[in-house]
Amino acid sequence: NAGVTQTPKFQVLKTGQSMTLQCAQDMNHEYMSWYRQDPGMGLRLIHYSVGAGITDQGEVPNGYNVSRSTTEDFPLRLLSAAPSQTSVYFCASSLGGQGGTEQYFGPGTRLTVT
Amino acid sequence: AQTVTQSQPEMSVQEAETVTLSCTYDTSESNYYLFWYKQPPSRQMILVIRQEAYKQQNATENRFSVNFQKAAKSFSLKISDSQLGDTAMYFCAPLSGGAQKLVFGQGTRLTINP
Repeated sequence: NAGVTQTPKFQVLKTGQSMTLQCAQDMNHEYMSWYRQDPGMGLRLIHYSVGAGITDQGEVPNGYNVSRSTTEDFPLRLLSAAPSQTSVYFCASSLGGQGGTEQYFGPGTRLTVT
Repeated sequence: AQTVTQSQPEMSVQEAETVTLSCTYDTSESNYYLFWYKQPPSRQMILVIRQEAYKQQNATENRFSVNFQKAAKSFSLKISDSQLGDTAMYFCAPLSGGAQKLVFGQGTRLTINP
């Protein structure tokens, strides 16, 4: 199993450009989420999904869109990049449900917006 | 909303020593779980240990153990016989059982010196 994969590993954007961060998992996990990590801070939840076709906002959703058309994939779209979105982005997945299961994280994408 | 406080931004100990990282949290949930994640310089998020809030027994994983004080909402991590590979950022993160949303503290940077 590859686990949780993210592409690209690094990306530089100009202000106003759009792009999609890709996330895929091969563990048949129902729950997937996106976090951002700013310097000196913990991870903050952007959006999450409890299953295909179901998404919801986390703590910091502004400027980001998500969709979940399949169990495996959960892309994060930046519609019009801003310097404040410079961060490291992590995708995570878990079995979900009520059991407080471990979340498995991807390797992260470092995004710089100039 | 859950909040998490890690009061030690940085800690440094000698190899083979024991070190304790502190974490306090605030939650109104009755069903929740607590995690410690480790983030080495590679930035990969790695699960260290998991505690179920309804269990009184403290979780243990090899050299890692927790002191869980539910009434005080305290969840500290003890690392025994510390090793150079333990050098990393450590994040405390409660998770509500229903929502599967992790809330991270700001982290403690731990350095193990030879």
